[in-house]
Order: sequence, then structure tokens, then C-alpha cells
Amino acid sequence: DAEITQSPRHKITETGRQVTLACHQTWNHNNMFWYRQDLGHGLRLIHYSYGVQDTNKGEVSDGYSVSRSNTEDLPLTLESAASSQTSVYFCASAGTKNTEAFFGQGTRLTVV
Amino acid sequence: AQSVTQPDIHITVSEGASLELRCNYSYGATPYLFWYVQSPGQGLQLLLKYFSGDTLVQGIKGFEAEFKRSQSSFNLRKPSVHWSDAAEYFCAVGLNQAGTALIFGKGTTLSVSS
Repeated sequence: DAEITQSPRHKITETGRQVTLACHQTWNHNNMFWYRQDLGHGLRLIHYSYGVQDTNKGEVSDGYSVSRSNTEDLPLTLESAASSQTSVYFCASAGTKNTEAFFGQGTRLTVV
Repeated sequence: AQSVTQPDIHITVSEGASLELRCNYSYGATPYLFWYVQSPGQGLQLLLKYFSGDTLVQGIKGFEAEFKRSQSSFNLRKPSVHWSDAAEYFCAVGLNQAGTALIFGKGTTLSVSS
């Protein structure tokens, strides 16, 4: 079955380190998204992509970057991790614009 | 800018009672609207969506929602709540009509009492 997977599921890193969270989907969806979820804030859009080589900033993009070199993957990079980036990160993908987004299981990131 | 407000942070209902979760949105054009549910420690599952047409949309698990343009609302309803409905519920609006990037509300936690 097609799916969307995130790795790792849990990660602890130190302040200042570069961290990359992986997201891989097998639906061949053009649209992919990264969100972070924090208590009291719901989910906030970090970056999104509508296709290969396309990336766009979302609501809370500072300190994060993405690249889209193929259809299946949208890795999220924290250039220099900060304690404020401790969060649960969700990746999602969707097909054409009138279709639902499917979410991964999330990555819990702790920055110490 | 697009935004979503869910006025109720936490709601408790008795099992078998009816449920209504409120959602108000801000969007300049005709919005794409969604309700998602998240069980503890899980990802998000789509309950229903509105793109156009009939303003009363049916979803999974017996949920429905009604789009009211005049009130900028998209409230979620269920006639009889089950204990398994306890979860966090998120309303969302599409960022634009080119794709499905979503702006979420802060969520409403539903507790079900016996």
C-alpha cells in the first residue's frame, strides 16, 4: 500500500547542531508539506512544495529549509537547532488541489 | 491573511449526547475547509472537507459539517457521541487554491464522559 513515512520518529539533538528530518511518500503526490505541532498552537505550516524544485515558505519558516529533488522526498533541515524548535513535526502529501492531505506519524524532536 | 479560530479549547460531552465543535475562518475567496481528528500519539485523519457545492458535507464516523458563508463558519456536528470519539479536532482552511497547504486552528480537545 502507498504510504508516507517519517524518520526518525524520535530524536534528541543539541543546540546549534544541524538536523534533517526525512519524509518519504509512495503515492507519487506532487504536493508535500511540513508542519510543527505545539501545545496551544495547533499545527503550523513550515514549508511546502508543489513539485520537484518548487519550495515555498509557510507560517513559521525561519530556521528551517527544505529541498525537493524528486517527487517522493521532502527533507526538512534545521540549520542550527534551537530549543524553541523542540516540537512534533508532521509531514503530509496530497495529489491534485482538490484532494485531501495524508499525514505521517510525526517526528518528536527535542533540542537540549 | 488566512486564519482559523476554534473558540473552544476543551469540551466535555456525555456519551450519546450530541456534539458541535465551532470553527470560524478568515479567507478572501471561497475557502477550502477541512476537519481533521487526532487521537493521542497519532497522526491526523481527515473527517470531511468542503470545496464547493452542497454546504452540508458528510464525513466519516458519522460526522457532518455545515459551511455558512455569512457567518464564516464551518462547524462540525455529530448527533450521538461515542467514547471512541475522544480526541483532538482541528479545523483547517486551504492556504490558497493552487494546492492543499493548510492553515490550522489551535484545536479542540473532546472528552467523553460515561
